[in-house]
Amino acid sequence: DARVTQTPRDKVTEMGQEVTMRCQPILGHNTVFWYRQTMMQGLELLAYFRNRAPLDDSGMPKDRFSAEMPDATLATLKIQPSEPRDSAVYFCASGFPLPGAGANVLTFGAGSRLTVL
Amino acid sequence: GQNIDQPTEMTATEGAIVQINCTYQTSGFNGLFWYQQHAGEAPTFLSYNVLDGLEEKGRFSSFLSRSKGYSYLLLKELQMKDSASYLCAVRPSNDYKLSFGAGTTVTVRA
Repeated sequence: DARVTQTPRDKVTEMGQEVTMRCQPILGHNTVFWYRQTMMQGLELLAYFRNRAPLDDSGMPKDRFSAEMPDATLATLKIQPSEPRDSAVYFCASGFPLPGAGANVLTFGAGSRLTVL
Repeated sequence: GQNIDQPTEMTATEGAIVQINCTYQTSGFNGLFWYQQHAGEAPTFLSYNVLDGLEEKGRFSSFLSRSKGYSYLLLKELQMKDSASYLCAVRPSNDYKLSFGAGTTVTVRA
């Protein structure tokens, strides 16, 4: 089975520290998404890329978050400095168009659980 | 912006049928998706509707009415493993991103 691979699975850090999360999308998928999930807010879109180009990062606090896709096999999400309110599960997902429909079916990675103390 | 509403929780008995409703108000429309998420795991794709009507996939069916901004997911012959959160998501037109509802937690009891 093709999978989206995310690292780290769990991260506990102190407030003010830099956090970098990594994602390897499924080979051949041309869209990559970063979502954040909390009990209060549900799944929120932070940023996404198509063919490695950033299309929308309006959901991301720009002063501390940055998302990049240095090559087709790697997407990164960085938080600097981290704050306790950033504690959440961060999901990476990659997608491909359904045949004849032009829509995306997303495959999610297992997530990175971040705890900022 | 996107506004997607679904019930918070539902409980049903093993072997029964449960219908999870989803209403949406979005800026354009190009598909409605249902995802299943077990506790502590990632969401997984269940079904997709872009035209009005019913899509059936085994025990799961999904219905869409674009004029009413309404969809439902029907789970038949419920099994204990169906206990999970079910997420309704909409793809706006001319965009690739999915906007998700808060999810409906379904608990299946013996």
